[in-house]
Amino acid sequence: QVQLQQSGPGLVKPSQTLSLTCAISGDSVSSKTAAWNWIRQSPSRGLEWLGRTYYRSKWYTDYAVSVRSRITINPDTSKNQFSLQLNSVTPEDTAVYYCARGSYDSSNYHQGDDYWGQGTLVTVSS
Amino acid sequence: DIVMTQTPLSLSVTPGQPASISCRSSQSLLNSDGRTYFYWYLQKPGQPPQLLIYEVSNRFSGVPDRFSGSGSGTAFTLKISRVEAEDVGVYYCMQSVQLPYTFGQGTKLEIK
Repeated sequence: QVQLQQSGPGLVKPSQTLSLTCAISGDSVSSKTAAWNWIRQSPSRGLEWLGRTYYRSKWYTDYAVSVRSRITINPDTSKNQFSLQLNSVTPEDTAVYYCARGSYDSSNYHQGDDYWGQGTLVTVSS
Repeated sequence: DIVMTQTPLSLSVTPGQPASISCRSSQSLLNSDGRTYFYWYLQKPGQPPQLLIYEVSNRFSGVPDRFSGSGSGTAFTLKISRVEAEDVGVYYCMQSVQLPYTFGQGTKLEIK
């Protein structure tokens, strides 16, 4: 059974960096049939996909244009986890942040995001 | 970005009765590989979203067969044949044919 366990602070000051980690059990961050996503949810923006990292003989990352200048998603193979860093946060970045596994079949078709972390409410406030 | 529009935004259903939710996309979700990148999720109160349906009509493991998905191109429907109390929550459609993945605004299902 795949489990994703999120960790990180729930309060970040404006202009600082939001950092979250998602620890994976039951799968590998290097799996060639998975992608590892960060998604956030707020009342004003709904569910918003932020980016992903995945391994297909080499590492790839994709980011939403809306946060591309501020975001970094990194895999950590030694700890079987991946992380999110969002720089220069403002109150608009206040949201529940989720990590999620995207599952892919043998032809690399996306079969949906089938496992999610528990969510972390991150509040940006001084 | 592809815009996903759901209707209705809320639904109140008597247990045992059917329910239907529609989702329209601003562009076709049919990819050049012949597959459609469209999904339904349910977010129960206090929980993360959970996958219900992938590729328009395929139920994810463990999803009851009272849930069914249909549609093509830009118009999709989720049907619940007989609503049960455990089906309450917010239903979201999502596309992944093009980055960024985008979600509908959600449809809240309540039980009468």
